[in-house]
Amino acid sequence: DSGVTQTPKHLITATGQRVTLRCSPRSGDLSVYWYQQSLDQGLQFLIQYYNGEERAKGNILERFSAQQFPDLHSELNLSSLELGDSALYFCASSPGTGWMVSTGELFFGEGSRLTVL
Amino acid sequence: SQQGEEDPQALSIQEGENATMNCSYKTSINNLQWYRQNSGRGLVHLILIRSNEREKHSGRLRVTLDTSKKSSSLLITASRAADTASYFCATDKYTGANSKLTFGKGITLSVRP
Repeated sequence: DSGVTQTPKHLITATGQRVTLRCSPRSGDLSVYWYQQSLDQGLQFLIQYYNGEERAKGNILERFSAQQFPDLHSELNLSSLELGDSALYFCASSPGTGWMVSTGELFFGEGSRLTVL
Repeated sequence: SQQGEEDPQALSIQEGENATMNCSYKTSINNLQWYRQNSGRGLVHLILIRSNEREKHSGRLRVTLDTSKKSSSLLITASRAADTASYFCATDKYTGANSKLTFGKGITLSVRP
């Protein structure tokens, strides 16, 4: 158990809909990362937050947004869903960011599997 | 774009044999990490090697890094059926506060009992 909690584990929805994925990082971790994993694209970095502020942005679509709240949990919002958005969405956490990361490793949750029909 | 490219894409070995997986990357890095993912599960960190290190060991794992060739290898010795999983290399370019890991597409390792 990594200590990172993601909900829901599975989600099935229709095209055009909006969903919210939730992540609770390990106790004490300030950084939260979101990744998307699909068969064709592999593991793609979406976005990183550190202590409530956006720190790095990857291949995140404009239809997607995220935020990190004062209690450090994070939410990833996916809107106007398309079939191609079907994927596993992972949240990961780490103690810090950049040079502040003690070991450099990320701790991953079990993921939220999104199926868009 | 993917920074790390693993090789081979799939590997099937007999229990007890050693498994060697390779990773190549394109740009300079601060560190390189290997992760394991069991089917449908989250990724688990295995080992990290920094750019100024050449070799590192952790249990049955041995990682090497050759920055001149921009490549790394992960060796799993005396493999077990429980090692069956996908293995990913991830590189950190370290851009200060925007440091982030970039993952390769992974290697599927099957260990036959």
